[in-house]
Amino acid sequence: DTGVSQNPRHKITKRGQNVTFRCDPISEHNRLYWYRQTLGQGPEFLTYFQNEAQLEKSRLLSDRFSAERPKGSFSTLEIQRTEQGDSAMYLCASSLDRGAPEQYFGPGTRLTVT
Amino acid sequence: DAKTTQPTSMDCAEGRAANLPCNHSTISGNEYVYWYRQIHSQGPQYIIHGLKNNETNEMASLIITEDRKSSTLILPHATLRDTAVYYCIVRSLYNFNKFYFGSGTKLNVKP
Repeated sequence: DTGVSQNPRHKITKRGQNVTFRCDPISEHNRLYWYRQTLGQGPEFLTYFQNEAQLEKSRLLSDRFSAERPKGSFSTLEIQRTEQGDSAMYLCASSLDRGAPEQYFGPGTRLTVT
Repeated sequence: DAKTTQPTSMDCAEGRAANLPCNHSTISGNEYVYWYRQIHSQGPQYIIHGLKNNETNEMASLIITEDRKSSTLILPHATLRDTAVYYCIVRSLYNFNKFYFGSGTKLNVKP
């Protein structure tokens, strides 16, 4: 049973650097979601894809953030010119697109901006 | 999406049933109730969901009141590994694009 995987699991970067995270969803899932979670809070929605199309973006996703899912399989989330406020856990989830689909989450990438 | 209200924390003795309440008094007819949990430093884990009827799976039972304004997640025999933050979420049948997690209930299972 291969669940959602995310790489890297941890990333430490200096302020102003660019970082990129990868998410590999469950293979038959055509929906993919990104969330951000800060300490003591529940996850907050950032964006989601239906296959390769990015269909919704939260206002939390500033212009320094970009997400792609080029072939409708894995996805990348890039943060440019990182700021200390970007320090958080970045979670990826995937789901089917029919019925009342539950989302399955990956283990997350913990970003620390120094 | 409808708002949910959960207690901040609860304690449960190991081996006993854990009953986690959730209030969703503004839920509408097409909104499902979902429960997830998050063990420290891991991604959220799906537990169960339902619309009107009570549901049971290998992890838990979900009891939804007849008026659908509240629900209870039941872990029948809590273990130390069930210590986690439990999130109750309501989502529309027509808007499955995102979950609003809220702050959840921290369940502490004690030996």
